[in-house]
Amino acid sequence: GAVVSQHPSWVICKSGTSVKIECRSLDFQATTMFWYRQFPKQSLMLMATSNEGSKATYEQGVEKDKFLINHASLTLSTLTVTSAHPEDSSFYICSALQGTNYGYTFGSGTRLTVV
Amino acid sequence: QKEVEQNSGPLSVPEGAIASLNCTYSDRGSQSFFWYRQYSGKSPELIMSIYSNGDKEDGRFTAQLNKASQYVSLLIRDSQPSDSATYLCAVNLRGSARQLTFGSGTQLTVLP
Repeated sequence: GAVVSQHPSWVICKSGTSVKIECRSLDFQATTMFWYRQFPKQSLMLMATSNEGSKATYEQGVEKDKFLINHASLTLSTLTVTSAHPEDSSFYICSALQGTNYGYTFGSGTRLTVV
Repeated sequence: QKEVEQNSGPLSVPEGAIASLNCTYSDRGSQSFFWYRQYSGKSPELIMSIYSNGDKEDGRFTAQLNKASQYVSLLIRDSQPSDSATYLCAVNLRGSARQLTFGSGTQLTVLP
């Protein structure tokens, strides 16, 4: 089946530094990638939607200059958390949409802790 | 009103019983509905998708959709302790460009 590889699975960084999270679709072309954030005991909240070769569309309240999304190819999308702060500590999950098929494949998630 | 609502639980059922999870959504024009299971610290995994009114069965799982009532449910028969997890209802709301909107999740515990 379709697989999305997400790395790293966990990362601890110092406040003020930047962290890059990668999601790769291993056996299909991900025309659209969704990025979610999940705080403890809460549901997934959509941060942004990116289409290959286009600028990402951010949800209301999500700072586009802080959460940089790049979807330069059909198999790779990245989320960079810039100038991270402790309140950015969360579980970040990507989800790829496979072209016209109505299938969403989730990455395994990245646990970010900012100290 | 939240766009996708679920009872947060927790819901506890004994092993072997039927667990019933419910979800309502606000947009009558929504077309696609999904149930995901999420274990603590893990990413969601798809259990069922349903697009048409009625029941859809897959093993011990049955999804039920009633678009007139804007209601989708998930039944888990012969519940096992390994089914203990948070169950997330997700809806592709009309006009949302295929984004999924998630409910808050229902925490299910199956007691041995």
